Amino acid sequence: DTAVSQTPKYLVTQMGNDKSIKCEQNLGHDTMYWYKQDSKKFLKIMFSYNNKELIINETVPNRFSPKSPDKAHLNLHINSLELGDSAVYFCASSQEGTGYNEQFFGPGTRLTVL
Amino acid sequence: QQQVKQSPQSLIVQKGGISIINCAYENTAFDYFPWYQQFPGKGPALLIAIRPDVSEKKEGRFTISFNKSAKQFSLHIMDSQPGDSATYFCAASWTGNQFYFGTGTSLTVIP
Repeated sequence: DTAVSQTPKYLVTQMGNDKSIKCEQNLGHDTMYWYKQDSKKFLKIMFSYNNKELIINETVPNRFSPKSPDKAHLNLHINSLELGDSAVYFCASSQEGTGYNEQFFGPGTRLTVL
Repeated sequence: QQQVKQSPQSLIVQKGGISIINCAYENTAFDYFPWYQQFPGKGPALLIAIRPDVSEKKEGRFTISFNKSAKQFSLHIMDSQPGDSATYFCAASWTGNQFYFGTGTSLTVIP
């Protein structure tokens, strides 16, 4: 019944490693997002995809690459992890990317880079 | 540049009291103002939202007050309960665009 799911919930890794976070939504939504929440709880949008097409790409290092195999999935790949990448990453989805639609967030993935 | 400014950063209220969180924006193109509630270890979830054609919207104990001329809006939680303890985010958007979230307010309601 989970609307937006993410795996894994926790990810602990060493600097320099490459990791992926998976996201799936079963709401039939067209738009999916990735947000980063830092230790001060600030929510910053990273990417937005609409029907598998990238529509928002905020200023994030190109070590971060989203991949959308279909409109129900939006995965986040991170290469050469750095200490500053430690944060909670949230996936979200909405019916359309119009800015008026409720965004449904996943439970988050806490990434810790050692 | 922070598109939406939120205050206070943290708030402690006694049970039964009124919690007030304020947000301000500059971009007059914004025309949708949601509030999201986030409990520890969970993702944010929509609490209540308002469009600028009304000055107030109430849902249960939660009320948004909107002042278009001042470009400010606020969340009022009446009869605050310990279960309301969470982080609250205001946000703003306009058609075809992303949400811009405020910096969050950590609310603690003391029994």
